[in-house]
Amino acid sequence: AQSVTQPDIHITVSEGASLELRCNYSYGATPYLFWYVQSPGQGLQLLLKYFSGDTLVQGIKGFEAEFKRSQSSFNLRKPSVHWSDAAEYFCAVGNTNAGKSTFGDGTTLTVKP
Amino acid sequence: EAQVTQNPRYLITVTGKKLTVTCSQNMNHEYMSWYRQDPGLGLRQIYYSMNVEVTDKGDVPEGYKVSRKEKRNFPLILESPSPNQTSLYFCASRPSLGEAYEQYFGPGTRLTVT
Repeated sequence: AQSVTQPDIHITVSEGASLELRCNYSYGATPYLFWYVQSPGQGLQLLLKYFSGDTLVQGIKGFEAEFKRSQSSFNLRKPSVHWSDAAEYFCAVGNTNAGKSTFGDGTTLTVKP
Repeated sequence: EAQVTQNPRYLITVTGKKLTVTCSQNMNHEYMSWYRQDPGLGLRQIYYSMNVEVTDKGDVPEGYKVSRKEKRNFPLILESPSPNQTSLYFCASRPSLGEAYEQYFGPGTRLTVT
């Protein structure tokens, strides 16, 4: 069965500091991996996705993520955080052929001025 | 504008009173899915549909029903709601089968069952 673990429930960083959100997955084959962001009171928006090829993936809003098969990880990074990045972030693994999608429990990001 | 719409956005109801939350997408997507979001539990998949008349259970289907009679609509039905179904519900859709397209989410429906 597929699963996703986001070890950090809540992270606080200062504006301008770098950010890394952790995601570990369990999946039987090459996974399809996604990062979504949810701003307060909003739906989810895709930040980036990985399904093959280059293991370093660029997304919107200056985010990137690196797929590391040996560590079963897909960590999200941003070199300099902006106050508008405060939100909840979800890592997800998908099985597009079978239709099931599994999300992590989410990491809430707080940005200090 | 390409979008997934849900109605109602907010609903307060009582235990046992049947309700339907509608979901509609205008992107001609084959795949649609329902999730519930609870604090500390992330998003959990309730049901999904790979195409018209094809539905399957997700991880938490108990107490819910769905139907997919046409491509654009995927209503979620609670025949006899209970307080443990108080949650934030999201509908999502994505194009094509067998491809790693992301899901497009609706704005959410906040349901309270008293």
